[in-house]
Amino acid sequence: AQSVTQPDIHITVSEGASLELRCNYSYGATPYLFWYVQSPGQGLQLLLKYFSGDTLVQGIKGFEAEFKRSQSSFNLRKPSVHWSDAAEYFCAVASQDSGAGSYQLTFGKGTKLSVIP
Amino acid sequence: DTAVSQTPKYLVTQMGNDKSIKCEQNLGHDTMYWYKQDSKKFLKIMFSYNNKELIINETVPNRFSPKSPDKAHLNLHINSLELGDSAVYFCASSQGWAQYFGPGTRLLVL
Repeated sequence: AQSVTQPDIHITVSEGASLELRCNYSYGATPYLFWYVQSPGQGLQLLLKYFSGDTLVQGIKGFEAEFKRSQSSFNLRKPSVHWSDAAEYFCAVASQDSGAGSYQLTFGKGTKLSVIP
Repeated sequence: DTAVSQTPKYLVTQMGNDKSIKCEQNLGHDTMYWYKQDSKKFLKIMFSYNNKELIINETVPNRFSPKSPDKAHLNLHINSLELGDSAVYFCASSQGWAQYFGPGTRLLVL
């Protein structure tokens, strides 16, 4: 069964500092990986996804993530954090349901990002 | 022109009641989902559904039932609500691997 681990429950960074959020996955086949962001009281917004090809993927809001198969990791990065980036970040891996056409996301437990002005 | 919408946004009710949460997507996607987010922010799939097949997470009590009147809607009906059902419920849709989420429904059972 697939699983996702986000080792850091809470990270605090200063505005303007760089950011890296860690994600490790366990999946038997080639993983399809995602990062979502959840602002307080809001739903989940897709930041970026990795399916295949270039292992460095660019997303919205200046985020990027790098897939490293040897380390089973898909870490999220941003060179300069803004106060509005304070939110909960979720890493997820997709697996296909038996049968036709649907896919399940298995989420990590999330990393809460706080930004100091 | 919200892609995935849910109603209501907040739902407060008594134990034992039956309630429904509605979800609509205007993305033309074939597959829709329901997720539960508990008080520790952990997200877990409850159902995935397309016009051919319903996949039920085996841990979901049978008090929960998805109902889909058409491809754009997937409602969640909950019978005999319990205190432990208090959570945020998210609807999502997909065409392929990426899923798009609604804003969530915050359910509080008293």
